Amino acid sequence: GAVVSQHPSRVICKSGTSVKIECRSLDFQATTMFWYRQFPKQSLMLMATSNEGSKATYEQGVEKDKFLINHASLTLSTLTVTSAHPEDSSFYICSATTGGFEETQYFGPGTRLLVL
Amino acid sequence: QKEVEQDPGPLSVPEGAIVSLNCTYSNSAFQYFMWYRQYSRKGPELLMYTYSSGNKEDGRFTAQVDKSSKYISLFIRDSQPSDSATYLCAMSPRSNTGGFKTIFGAGTRLFVKA
Repeated sequence: GAVVSQHPSRVICKSGTSVKIECRSLDFQATTMFWYRQFPKQSLMLMATSNEGSKATYEQGVEKDKFLINHASLTLSTLTVTSAHPEDSSFYICSATTGGFEETQYFGPGTRLLVL
Repeated sequence: QKEVEQDPGPLSVPEGAIVSLNCTYSNSAFQYFMWYRQYSRKGPELLMYTYSSGNKEDGRFTAQVDKSSKYISLFIRDSQPSDSATYLCAMSPRSNTGGFKTIFGAGTRLFVKA
């Protein structure tokens, strides 16, 4: 099946620093990747949709200058949380689709970010 | 009103019980329905997907869609402690007119007791 990896799985950083999270599709080419945020006991909140080679589309209320997304290749997308603050602490999950009509999303294992 | 409503639970059942998980939705454009399972501190994994109305069975899992009632269900037969997880429903219009965005339910936490 389609496998998506994320790195790192967990990161702790100081307030004001930037953190980069990588999302890779390991055995398929992902035309589209999605970035989600998930708070405890809540559902996935879509942050942005990213297509290879083009600018990401951000959901309403998500600051694009705060959450920088780069989709440089068909197997790699990165999310950079710039000038992180404690309220950015969350579980960040990416997903990728193989394209076509049945655009089923395959999720990465998630990255837990804790900002002190 | 949320587009997708799902009771967060928790739902606790004894091993071997039949589990019924449900979601309701308001957008009649949804036609692609999915169930994901998410273990604690892990990403969701796709369990089943169905297109339009009807039933789909895969081993101990059965997905049901009733578009007239805007109601979908996931049944788990002979539930096992390893089924303990959060189950998220998800749906999408998957059309040029309705769009392709997938909307997720809040997830139902299931505990299967040995």
